[in-house]
Amino acid sequence: NAGVTQTPKFRILKIGQSMTLQCTQDMNHNYMYWYRQDPGMGLKLIYYSVGAGITDKGEVPNGYNVSRSTTEDFPLRLELAAPSQTSVYFCASRTGTGARGNQPQHFGDGTRLSIL
Amino acid sequence: KNEVEQSPQNLTAQEGEFITINCSYSVGISALHWLQQHPGGGIVSLFMLSSGKKKHGRLIATINIQEKHSSLHITASHPRDSAVYICAVSRETSGSRLTFGEGTQLTVNP
Repeated sequence: NAGVTQTPKFRILKIGQSMTLQCTQDMNHNYMYWYRQDPGMGLKLIYYSVGAGITDKGEVPNGYNVSRSTTEDFPLRLELAAPSQTSVYFCASRTGTGARGNQPQHFGDGTRLSIL
Repeated sequence: KNEVEQSPQNLTAQEGEFITINCSYSVGISALHWLQQHPGGGIVSLFMLSSGKKKHGRLIATINIQEKHSSLHITASHPRDSAVYICAVSRETSGSRLTFGEGTQLTVNP
């Protein structure tokens, strides 16, 4: 099991460029999440998905889009990169079994993104 | 005021010391999570608990639901314990999502 795999690990973008952060998991988890982590701040939820074909906004969705066409993949799209989107992005997944919220999340290694 | 507050923000200890990191929350929860973020950036789940106490090796997590407070203890600390420790809660009203504290940076010196 590779767990949660994120690509790329690092990327530098120019303002206005677009890119897709890839996330894939091989644990057959229903729930997947995208977070951003800014220095000195807690993780903030961007978007999440409770299963293939279902996505929902988190706390900070502006400037991002997601899709969930398969159980395994949950890509995050930045359409018009802005300096405020400079951050470290984490993808996570968890099983949908058990009581609500009572399962640990498995995290990818993160993508460090700089917008210049 | 954040819904999940951790203290201290930064903690420096000498190898062998007993360490306590605190987490207070202001919302109803279904579970509380403790996570560890390594210096390289990776995040792993340490504990998930909804009552009482859990132990794994030198790490112990406790929760008091009535006081809305949790503690993470590290016994016989070691330099390899140096990391950011993050508290997060699953709310009763939105259990599929976590709300995170800002983390506690722990440094253990040899």
